[in-house]
Amino acid sequence: ELKVEQNPLFLSMQEGKNYTIYCNYSTTSDRLYWYRQDPGKSLESLFVLLSNGAVKQEGRLMASLDTKARLSTLHITAAVHDLSATYFCAVSPGSSYKLIFGSGTRLLVRP
Amino acid sequence: GAVVSQHPSRVICKSGTSVKIECRSLDFQATTMFWYRQFPKQSLMLMATSNEGSKATYEQGVEKDKFLINHASLTLSTLTVTSAHPEDSSFYICSATGGGFGTDTQYFGPGTRLTVL
Repeated sequence: ELKVEQNPLFLSMQEGKNYTIYCNYSTTSDRLYWYRQDPGKSLESLFVLLSNGAVKQEGRLMASLDTKARLSTLHITAAVHDLSATYFCAVSPGSSYKLIFGSGTRLLVRP
Repeated sequence: GAVVSQHPSRVICKSGTSVKIECRSLDFQATTMFWYRQFPKQSLMLMATSNEGSKATYEQGVEKDKFLINHASLTLSTLTVTSAHPEDSSFYICSATGGGFGTDTQYFGPGTRLTVL
């Protein structure tokens, strides 16, 4: 059974600082996703990582994938308050297209 | 981009009644739709995978007779919560994949918040 673990579960950081969220998964997968969720809202797609070594960047967020280590990271650079949200990673097991989600990381960026 | 809608966005019902939630792909044909449930401050849990014209595949622990899923067309899937009870209160989110957008990305609906009194 595929398990997806995120850490930290909660992150409070000051504006301007950098930090990394980690996503580990337990079985082979070639597809990893990062989503953002604002309170009371649905999911917004951030990144889709499809191969080992993939790196994608959008604004202050950068995601990477190491399929050998079964690890993805979401790096936040010079955080701003607007980035406050819950971030989820999700993995598709094997050839399936269903998503198994991590527990989420609740990010709070303080002024 | 791909747009997925859900209706209703919010529903309150009495215990014992049934509630139907619709998920529509507005600008593409969704070969596969997924239904998730999210309890407050928790992650999303996949309930079932729905392919157009065939029976849904339910995840372990999800009662198929309680959560009826119908995917009658390439743009519409419905989830019916039968004989709802307070413990079914949750945020239900659908997603869709397929069409010209490929199968690597799921597009999520805005969610339906169900409250069972």
